Amino acid sequence: DAMVIQNPRYQVTQFGKPVTLSCSQTLNHNVMYWYQQKSSQAPKLLFHYYDKDFNNEADTPDNFQSRRPNTSFCFLDIRSPGLGDAAMYLCATSREPRQGGEGQPQHFGDGTRLSIL
Amino acid sequence: AQKITQTQPGMFVQEKEAVTLDCTYDTSDPSYGLFWYKQPSSGEMIFLIYQGSYDQQNATEGRYSLNFQKARKSANLVISASQLGDSAMYFCAMREEYGNKLVFGAGTILRVKS
Repeated sequence: DAMVIQNPRYQVTQFGKPVTLSCSQTLNHNVMYWYQQKSSQAPKLLFHYYDKDFNNEADTPDNFQSRRPNTSFCFLDIRSPGLGDAAMYLCATSREPRQGGEGQPQHFGDGTRLSIL
Repeated sequence: AQKITQTQPGMFVQEKEAVTLDCTYDTSDPSYGLFWYKQPSSGEMIFLIYQGSYDQQNATEGRYSLNFQKARKSANLVISASQLGDSAMYFCAMREEYGNKLVFGAGTILRVKS
């Protein structure tokens, strides 16, 4: 089945130690997104790629970076994780929204739960 | 700016009964899309149903239907014949024309009682 796959499902890292989360898709969607979701809160968009064009949210900390080497893969790099970065990280994909307001749904992976020691 | 409001932090429903989860939105854009997602305790976000602002009929997907009232700027999710597996967090979200971003509401936790 075509899907969005996030690895690993659970990630533990040490305070200040760089960590990379990965996302792959078999849907051939041209838009990929990274969200941060803290407990009992709505997902918060960090950034997204429209093909190779990177779009950063204004309030995303510089500590968070992303790479998209090809259509299928996208990575989230946290350069120096702090305790406040412990969260669920969700990757999503979508096709380009059609004109006229009709939207393509975003399809999410199962997420990676990041813990900071 | 877009805004999504879900006023019910938590809801209970008896198994096999119907339940309505409220969602209101605010946008100045004439064209937009509305989405509902389900998030079980395991964490994955599951797309349920979509309504476009120009759609003439309310969207339906199996036991899910969307009560879209454009003038009131509301897009309530109706779940019929609730099942225990419907217990989850439900998010309403909106995307404007030409935009790639989803704006999410705060979510409603639904608990189905047997």
